[in-house]
Amino acid sequence: QSALTQPPSASGSPGQSVTISCTGTSSDVGGYNYVSWYQQHPGKAPKLMIYEVSNRPSGVPDRFSGSKSGNTASLTVSGLQAEDEADYYCSSYAGSNNYVFGSGTKVTVL
Amino acid sequence: QVQLQESGPGLVKPSETLSLTCTVSGYSISSVYYWGWIRQPPGKGLEWIGRIYHSGSTYYNPSLRSRLTISVDTSKNQFSLNLSSVTAADTAVYYCARLSAGAFDFWGQGTLVTVSS
Repeated sequence: QSALTQPPSASGSPGQSVTISCTGTSSDVGGYNYVSWYQQHPGKAPKLMIYEVSNRPSGVPDRFSGSKSGNTASLTVSGLQAEDEADYYCSSYAGSNNYVFGSGTKVTVL
Repeated sequence: QVQLQESGPGLVKPSETLSLTCTVSGYSISSVYYWGWIRQPPGKGLEWIGRIYHSGSTYYNPSLRSRLTISVDTSKNQFSLNLSSVTAADTAVYYCARLSAGAFDFWGQGTLVTVSS
């Protein structure tokens, strides 16, 4: 399976919002509600931020929200803070017991 | 709190087998969840490797299936990864993680494995 497509970079000023897209196909993103998002700071393990398209794990700020339309999922970070600067990856169940990750987006807080 | 810790050699020679173990603490591996492996080549994105249930049921990334074996030892609360015939392309940080509701909710810190002679 091919990696899901994400923009290489995104940026915003503190307090602003940034939205990251994650485009797949009807065989992965469009076919299942098992889309998740991960935040990764340099040298650290990824951290789950969103699961099942729009659910936040306990402890994740409500500034992080997820959605999906067709074959494209999105992560929105509202009220950007300096600590939000990181790489973000989406992931989706891809059928046949497989999972696929996105190509990753580097978010910069200006 | 669920904690995962990867362990194994940091250097493997080309054509040999890469072997890693993930030790789970704070939670029984014999529960309802799957346990998986993910890797990240230096400077690149994440790649799903495969997952295993405590019963031994496994699912592998098709691109790695011919070289991959994932096993579980419930008595030690561990699961393991063996990747054979490695090349430089297998150099990566390898993570183990718990799979819940289609997402990887708890991760190990990761371990860098370099394939080089």
